[in-house]
Amino acid sequence: EPEVTQTPSHQVTQMGQEVILRCVPISNHLYFYWYRQILGQKVEFLVSFYNNEISEKSEIFDDQFSVERPDGSNFTLKIRSTKLEDSAMYFCASRRQGDWNTEAFFGQGTRLTVV
Amino acid sequence: RKEVEQDPGPFNVPEGATVAFNCTYSNSASQSFFWYRQDCRKEPKLLMSVYSSGNEDGRFTAQLNRASQYISLLIRDSKLSDSATYLCVVKTGYGGSQGNLIFGKGTKLSVKP
Repeated sequence: EPEVTQTPSHQVTQMGQEVILRCVPISNHLYFYWYRQILGQKVEFLVSFYNNEISEKSEIFDDQFSVERPDGSNFTLKIRSTKLEDSAMYFCASRRQGDWNTEAFFGQGTRLTVV
Repeated sequence: RKEVEQDPGPFNVPEGATVAFNCTYSNSASQSFFWYRQDCRKEPKLLMSVYSSGNEDGRFTAQLNRASQYISLLIRDSKLSDSATYLCVVKTGYGGSQGNLIFGKGTKLSVKP
């Protein structure tokens, strides 16, 4: 069964450092998303990406964040200068083109710890 | 008002019990509705979409009331393996091409032997 894969599974970084979280969406999917979940909190939308550009972004997705699809398979989230409050589980998701209730598949997440 | 609001839980039930989850959403223009399941420290996984006419999948029944902006999930004959957090999810935007998922905080279910 095809799946969304994320690397690394756990990333520890010092405050102020840049991190890149990597995702390989399912191969025939066209819509890509990043979500985050702070421990004990709800899953929060960060950004959606389609046709090589950002479709929508939330208030959380400020200038410190960027996304890129550098080749035909990877989808990355970069945080330029990490803060303690960026510590969370980051989930990548992808969805194929389809009708309104097409399922979004989530990767297993990257746990980011900023120290 | 929160965009998607759920029972705070947790629900602790014995095996075989019937358990109901409730959810309300604030955006009347929301188009799609889902229940996701999330195991501890794992990714959310789609349990079922919710259709206007209501739908059933084995022991699971989902209902939608657009007028009240209310969604429900019923689990019958609960199993130990049903223990998880159940997330009410609403999709904003129109059609299949846009929109993102808005999650409720989830309701934790623990099924005991």
